[in-house]
Amino acid sequence: GQNIDQPTEMTATEGAIVQINCTYQTSGFNGLFWYQQHAGEAPTFLSYNVLDGLEEKGRFSSFLSRSKGYSYLLLKELQMKDSASYLCAPTGFQKLVFGTGTRLLVSP
Amino acid sequence: ETGVTQTPRHLVMGMTNKKSLKCEQHLGHNAMYWYKQSAKKPLELMFVYSLEERVENNSVPSRFSPECPNSSHLFLHLHTLQPEDSALYLCASSQDRQGEISGANVLTFGAGSRLTVL
Repeated sequence: GQNIDQPTEMTATEGAIVQINCTYQTSGFNGLFWYQQHAGEAPTFLSYNVLDGLEEKGRFSSFLSRSKGYSYLLLKELQMKDSASYLCAPTGFQKLVFGTGTRLLVSP
Repeated sequence: ETGVTQTPRHLVMGMTNKKSLKCEQHLGHNAMYWYKQSAKKPLELMFVYSLEERVENNSVPSRFSPECPNSSHLFLHLHTLQPEDSALYLCASSQDRQGEISGANVLTFGAGSRLTVL
C-alpha cells in the first residue's frame, strides 16, 4: 500500500528556519520529490533525493533516509513568499505518490 | 508561450453537459499526465500518456475520457459528471515517463482548470 504522512499546517516567522517532515510507506520506492504549490497556482519542483543524505539547493535542502522511510525539507532564511503548500512525493512503482501537503504560513 | 498551458482556467458545468479541458506543453516532453486535486486530498494521478500512447489509467470513471492527439497536446473530455467531480484538474508533462528517478522525470505542471459541477 501507499501511505504518506506530513503535518497539515506549520507556521514560522520571516528569517527563521523551518523543517517539514514526511514519512512514507510505498511499494517499489526509488526516490522522493518535493514540490511547492502557492495557492491557486501549479505545483513547482523543488528537489529530489535518490540516495540517503542531504541535498542542498540554496535556501532549500532536502534529506532522505530510505531505511526509515523519512524525508524532510529544510527552508532557511524564510521569506514571506515561502508561504505555500509543500508536497512530499515518494515514488512507488515508477510513479509519484503525493502526500496531502503541508501548508506553511510565514508571518512578519 | 512556454511551459504547460491549460484552458479553460475555470469551468462551471451541469451534470448533463459535455465539455473538454485542454492542455498544451511547449517543452518537447514525451510524457503527459492528468491529475485531480480536491480540497484536503492528495494529488490523484488519473492518466499517463507516453509518446501519445496511454500507459496508465488509474481506475478513473468512464465519464472522464482522455485524448492525446500528439505529444504536445492532451485533452480531458467530460461527460455526465457528478458534483463530487468538482476539483482542480492539473495537467503535467515530463521529459520521460516516470521510471528511474532523475531530472528527466521532473513534472512540470500547468496552472490547472478549476471545475465546478452543479
